[in-house]
Amino acid sequence: DVKVTQSSRYLVKRTGEKVFLECVQDMDHENMFWYRQDPGLGLRLIYFSYDVKMKEKGDIPEGYSVSREKKERFSLILESASTNQTSMYLCASSLVGQFNQPQHFGDGTRLSIL
Amino acid sequence: TQLLEQSPQFLSIQEGENLTVYCNSSSVFSSLQWYRQEPGEGPVLLVTVVTGGEVKKLKRLTFQFGDARKDSSLHITAAQPGDTGLYLCAGDGGTSYGKLTFGQGTILTVHP
Repeated sequence: DVKVTQSSRYLVKRTGEKVFLECVQDMDHENMFWYRQDPGLGLRLIYFSYDVKMKEKGDIPEGYSVSREKKERFSLILESASTNQTSMYLCASSLVGQFNQPQHFGDGTRLSIL
Repeated sequence: TQLLEQSPQFLSIQEGENLTVYCNSSSVFSSLQWYRQEPGEGPVLLVTVVTGGEVKKLKRLTFQFGDARKDSSLHITAAQPGDTGLYLCAGDGGTSYGKLTFGQGTILTVHP
């Protein structure tokens, strides 16, 4: 069965800290995505990657960066955490090259910035 | 930028009632996906509709894609408490990157 694993279910950090959220998938998918999920706003795309070392900005990239050094791993970095980045973060992956592919999601990381 | 408007945002109903959730856009999508998310878990795909006018059924759930591929609906017949969850629609813009545009979500609560 397909699996997307996010390293932490809950994380509490302080304002100004550098925060790393890790995501690993075991499906050999080319595409990987980072979203944040806030009540009433659905899922908003932060960054995505379609290959190793390739990245593209999503709809809300400000204050975030990403790293994809290996195909299976996609990291989200909060350069200097702020309270308005308190949210649920979801990682997903999908196959490339064909339309209409579903995304497979991890269980999320609930991040609190104090 | 493609947008998907999902309504209603909240639905609280009694077991046995029927309900419909709507997703509307001014943009054309190559497909529309519906996901369900339970507390503490990530969204899980329910169905993908691809062809304009397509109707797909999953037990008591009926999904429809509009003729112009700009809108979709999810209808649940005789809702059960096990249907409780967050329902999300997502439009595929048709690129190989697989980017999806998500609606705001509908939180469904079915009371016994």
